Amino acid sequence: NAGVTQTPKFRILKIGQSMTLQCAQDMNHNYMYWYRQDPGMGLKLIYYSVGAGITDKGEVPNGYNVSRSTTEDFPLRLELAAPSQTSVYFCASFGRRWEGLAGANVLTFGAGSRLTVL
Amino acid sequence: KQEVTQIPAALSVPEGENLVLNCSFTDSAIYNLQWFRQDPGKGLTSLLLIQSSQREQTSGRLNASLDKSSGRSTLYIAASQPGDSATYLCAVRPSTGNQFYFGTGTSLTVIP
Repeated sequence: NAGVTQTPKFRILKIGQSMTLQCAQDMNHNYMYWYRQDPGMGLKLIYYSVGAGITDKGEVPNGYNVSRSTTEDFPLRLELAAPSQTSVYFCASFGRRWEGLAGANVLTFGAGSRLTVL
Repeated sequence: KQEVTQIPAALSVPEGENLVLNCSFTDSAIYNLQWFRQDPGKGLTSLLLIQSSQREQTSGRLNASLDKSSGRSTLYIAASQPGDSATYLCAVRPSTGNQFYFGTGTSLTVIP
């Protein structure tokens, strides 16, 4: 059970380039989220999804796009990268996780993708 | 809109001390509250989850409490160790809606 997997871990982009951050979870969770975390700052929600085919904007969606064609995958697309998009990006899923016999709906994070735009 | 506050922003304690981290929220209509740990340059690791109907949860040296009526949760760390040094964040899931609301974290340093 891998949890939430993000790729790549690190990436350097030039201004104006585009790229996709990948996120996959193997827990069959319906809810998935993309956050960005700037140095010394809190987490800001970019986009989220409540199930395959359903996405919605968060607090800071400008410059990003998402899709959710399967339950497992929730890629984040950056179009025309700008220096302001330099950040650490975290993907998370929310749903049931089992610890022994007890299950609860838990928010689980990936390890993050560090993006630098020069 | 739910607002989550964590005070203090930073805390430095000597090894072995018991300590309490605070998380305050403005709307008591919550589904659950989760405490996370974040090491520098790393992701968020879940420590404890408290359901709306629960008062506290314990895991090893960690104990988290929840008082919805006062809009507070505390994370108690017993016998602190240098390895406990990290940023601790709390996240609130409201009883309605699909988003989470995060505090900005308390940066803990345990001095050997």
